[in-house]
Amino acid sequence: AQSVTQLGSHVSVSEGALVLLRCNYSSSVPPYLFWYVQYPNQGLQLLLKYTSAATLVKGINGFEAEFKKSETSFHLTKPSAHMSDAAEYFCAVSVGYGGSQGNLIFGKGTKLSVKP
Amino acid sequence: GAGVSQTPSNKVTEKGKYVELRCDPISGHTALYWYRQSLGQGPEFLIYFQGTGAADDSGLPNDRFFAVRPEGSVSTLKIQRTERGDSAVYLCASSYSSSTEAFFGQGTRLTVV
Repeated sequence: AQSVTQLGSHVSVSEGALVLLRCNYSSSVPPYLFWYVQYPNQGLQLLLKYTSAATLVKGINGFEAEFKKSETSFHLTKPSAHMSDAAEYFCAVSVGYGGSQGNLIFGKGTKLSVKP
Repeated sequence: GAGVSQTPSNKVTEKGKYVELRCDPISGHTALYWYRQSLGQGPEFLIYFQGTGAADDSGLPNDRFFAVRPEGSVSTLKIQRTERGDSAVYLCASSYSSSTEAFFGQGTRLTVV
């Protein structure tokens, strides 16, 4: 069975600092992995996804994530935080091999705060 | 173009009542998903439609929950005999096919009092 664990329910960084949001997964099959962002009172927006191509995935808004099979990790990073990055971030894994990109198991989320 | 639309945006109902939540997917999207997001949690999968049929309803918590998509477009999530524990944001998503990106609506916040 698939699952994801996001380490840290809250992360606070200063504007311009590195953003690192951690996600570890468990999957019995090669996983498809996703990062979504949720701004207050808005729907989930896809940041990036890993679907077994390049292990370093670049997404929108300057975010990227690296798939590390040996560590079962898919951490999200951004070199320099902006105030507009403040939001909640969710890591997710698809159900089943080559599974639906909409049938996902989500982590509990990490709320990112950015200090001026 | 228009995104996934969910109505109502907010619904307050009394315990024991019946509610319907509506999802209008992006035009042409054949796959449709329902999720439930409780406070402080990530979204939890409920049901997935491919066309008119439910391809996977393994996430529906019990038989009080039911969803339909009779014409392969609009979907309705129906909850009977609501309980306070049903209070959550119900999210709908759609995708062109099951192997393409899913787009989420803004959700319906259901409060059972």
